[in-house]
Amino acid sequence: QQQVKQSPQSLIVQKGGISIINCAYENTAFDYFPWYQQFPGKGPALLIAIRPDVSEKKEGRFTISFNKSAKQFSLHIMDSQPGDSATYFCAASLHGSSNTGKLIFGQGTTLQVKP
Amino acid sequence: ETGVTQTPRHLVMGMTNKKSLKCEQHLGHNAMYWYKQSAKKPLELMFVYSLEERVENNSVPSRFSPECPNSSHLFLHLHTLQPEDSALYLCASSQDPGSGTQYFGPGTRLTVL
Repeated sequence: QQQVKQSPQSLIVQKGGISIINCAYENTAFDYFPWYQQFPGKGPALLIAIRPDVSEKKEGRFTISFNKSAKQFSLHIMDSQPGDSATYFCAASLHGSSNTGKLIFGQGTTLQVKP
Repeated sequence: ETGVTQTPRHLVMGMTNKKSLKCEQHLGHNAMYWYKQSAKKPLELMFVYSLEERVENNSVPSRFSPECPNSSHLFLHLHTLQPEDSALYLCASSQDPGSGTQYFGPGTRLTVL
């Protein structure tokens, strides 16, 4: 119930292509779905986040698509660039609740964008 | 210094050593967290502090002992670790413990021999 399943584990995309990473969750109480980006030697950094009351959120080349009925959400990176090469983590939480805002992370996807 | 800082960045210790990891956040946040990041595994939440009070301990072995002397500083005291404890230890902070938006430090790469 508390798991977030992420796929694929690794992804290789040509420069200019579209990178797609998928996540699925079980707990319907989750109400906040952030994506984090982690470069080697750095901690994860918040990239983009969505709440379940919208089906899509776009920030620049990054888009989250959210399917509440299927309990799935995905990150799309348009016009992928070599600088996007990093590990991406999806997560889910009970945002703003009386609990600790515990983030449940997916296993991570290592993205390599080839020039 | 800005954001969340962690020291040391790398640490090698024997199984009988005692060492401490330090985290400092310069964001004025009220909640701080310790995570363990191992290869091929999701980030594992270890401890959560809210306003210097521990609000969650995620079944972490007692050889890991956290300390939060004030809202800006967080320590993780290590004692009698096992080789399987080798990992990247990440500190994070958020405005309040109910926030899913967390800011991470660069981590301490720990190797237990």
